[in-house]
Amino acid sequence: QKEVEQDPGPLSVPEGAIVSLNCTYSNSAFQYFMWYRQYSRKGPELLMYTYSSGNKEDGRFTAQVDKSSKYISLFIRDSQPSDSATYLCAFNAGGTSYGKLTFGQGTILTVHP
Amino acid sequence: GAVVSQHPSWVICKSGTSVKIECRSLDFQATTMFWYRQFPKQSLMLMATSNEGSKATYEQGVEKDKFLINHASLTLSTLTVTSAHPEDSSFYICSARDRLGTDTQYFGPGTRLTVL
Repeated sequence: QKEVEQDPGPLSVPEGAIVSLNCTYSNSAFQYFMWYRQYSRKGPELLMYTYSSGNKEDGRFTAQVDKSSKYISLFIRDSQPSDSATYLCAFNAGGTSYGKLTFGQGTILTVHP
Repeated sequence: GAVVSQHPSWVICKSGTSVKIECRSLDFQATTMFWYRQFPKQSLMLMATSNEGSKATYEQGVEKDKFLINHASLTLSTLTVTSAHPEDSSFYICSARDRLGTDTQYFGPGTRLTVL
């Protein structure tokens, strides 16, 4: 079983739609949960960072973590064509491995006008 | 926000040559930098953790003699791909940990290496 499972998509939605991106994980040691956005041929950009179960909102983005189910989600409201990118979930166990990130496969999102 | 740069952004080299990639944190100090490799349509795979002033820690399966990492200062880490071969062609991305600020990782823009 992979440590992280992420639906690679691709996902295509019309402008203004609500987008839901999901990852499941199996490593109980993961304590920190992140979402990154990566445009083609660019490095990942941190979107959301959280370490507790529940929801965290930042503008049009909401990150949701359910530690009991080992499931995290990223919701994008009022999606825009500029949101078209690959979205990566990432996890870290903290402690001595603090900073070492385990990434999901990435979901390719296209928002069309 | 924190900025991490990489140089070069792309490089083409002949098989058997060595290539050096630089990673710099421009506006913060990074005691730890990380090197990742990303193949087309795949996710990032951590290659090694680079700590300033000490030897890098390599992930399982990564040859330390082939991928030489030096982290000589708080703002610079280098990755040298020695005796490069076509299978080393990939997108190499570094990240730097902002130890004094948010303690999160910021990624560089990546270096695309093509070995002919």
